[in-house]
Amino acid sequence: EAQVTQNPRYLITVTGKKLTVTCSQNMNHEYMSWYRQDPGLGLRQIYYSMNVEVTDKGDVPEGYKVSRKEKRNFPLILESPSPNQTSLYFCASSLGGTSSYEQYFGPGTRLTVT
Amino acid sequence: KQEVTQIPAALSVPEGENLVLNCSFTDSAIYNLQWFRQDPGKGLTSLLLIQSSQREQTSGRLNASLDKSSGRSTLYIAASQPGDSATYLCAVNAGNMLTFGGGTRLMVKP
Repeated sequence: EAQVTQNPRYLITVTGKKLTVTCSQNMNHEYMSWYRQDPGLGLRQIYYSMNVEVTDKGDVPEGYKVSRKEKRNFPLILESPSPNQTSLYFCASSLGGTSSYEQYFGPGTRLTVT
Repeated sequence: KQEVTQIPAALSVPEGENLVLNCSFTDSAIYNLQWFRQDPGKGLTSLLLIQSSQREQTSGRLNASLDKSSGRSTLYIAASQPGDSATYLCAVNAGNMLTFGGGTRLMVKP
């Protein structure tokens, strides 16, 4: 089944403790991205990647890191999480850049930072 | 900076009604517009993708239109069903980033 998977689905952590949220897609998509969703602010893009070793900032990149060493994986790294990063996170992928292709979203990761 | 607005924010209708959800955007220089559905606690499911050169797209009971020059898109749902209850999001692409609207929360009552 073609899909985008994220792990973990739920995570509660403490301020400053480094964490990684994994994202994987099995559709051989070139483009991958991360979003966060907050009440009243909607969905905002954090980072995106056009291909392996090519990443770029979205609207809200501060406090996050990403890497794209393999085509199928695009992990989101929070080096020193803070409470304002409590949010619902989504990974997405598409065949190419968003200019032409439909985006497919993962199920989401709910992160709470205390 | 692109801004996307969806009106209404919430809508409640009886089963069987036809309904229209609205999406407006401030910068008409877009590549495409995509409509999504989000169920509570779940991810986003793509419904329709309209390229900037297209006027409309149809999938089953759903029809989405795009008027790029006026910065508007509508999602028409025919013969609504309780299973259509969800939040509907539109997103515009003006590069390699999507800008989302705030969503319309739809409730279809049996």
